[in-house]
Amino acid sequence: EVQLVESGGGLVQPGGSLRLSCAASGFTVSSNYMSWVRQAPGKGLEWVSVIYSGGSTYYADSVKGRFTISRDNSKNTLYLQMNSLRAEDTAVYYCARDNVLLGGMDVWGQGTTVTVSS
Amino acid sequence: EIVLTQSPATLSLSPGERATLSCRASQSVSSYLAWYQQKPGQAPRLLIYDASNRATGIPARFSGSGSGTDFTLTISSLEPEDFAVYYCQQSTFGQGTRLEIK
Repeated sequence: EVQLVESGGGLVQPGGSLRLSCAASGFTVSSNYMSWVRQAPGKGLEWVSVIYSGGSTYYADSVKGRFTISRDNSKNTLYLQMNSLRAEDTAVYYCARDNVLLGGMDVWGQGTTVTVSS
Repeated sequence: EIVLTQSPATLSLSPGERATLSCRASQSVSSYLAWYQQKPGQAPRLLIYDASNRATGIPARFSGSGSGTDFTLTISSLEPEDFAVYYCQQSTFGQGTRLEIK
C-alpha cells in the first residue's frame, strides 16, 4: 500500500528547532518529487518546500534560510529540519508525493502538528 | 511567483445542484493545474490534474476545464459528501473555495 506517515511535531518555543519525518511505504522517495505543505489553524494550504528526485531543493520565501528539506534513501524517509521557528510557523505539516507524471500531489500523509509558543 | 485566485470564497448550494468553482492564474500556466478537496480534519485529496484529468477513484461528476489563466472545477450534481473546501494548485495554492450546504 502506498502510504506516507509523518512524525516529529510538537510544541516548541520561538527560536527553537524541530525536525519532521515522513516515512514512505509502497514507493521510493528518492525516485519522486516530494513536498511539504502546511496549513495554519483555520487557514488555507501553503506550499513549503520540495525536493526533486535529482536532489534539487526549493523553498517558499517564508521559510527560506530557516528550513531544510532532505531525505534518507536507506530509510525511504523525507525530513524537514525547521530552525528559528516563529509563531507564524504554527500549522499542520503535511508531506506529499508530487507526481510529475500527473502534475499533482497524489499521496498525502495524515499531517503532524507544530505549535510555536512560549 | 504565480498567484492563483479562487472564486467565490464561499459557495452555498443544495444537494443535486451543479457547482462551478473558478481559479485564475496571474500568468499562463498552460494546463498545469490541479484541484484538491479537503474535508475537516483530513489531508487534501487530489481530484483533477493537468486541468482536466480525474485522479484515480474520483467520481465522474467531478470535471475540470480551462487552460492558460482561467480554470473551472465543475461538480455536476452535488452529493452530501462533496461539501468541503476546494483548492487549485500549480506551484502555489489558491486560497480555497468553501462549498457549503444551503
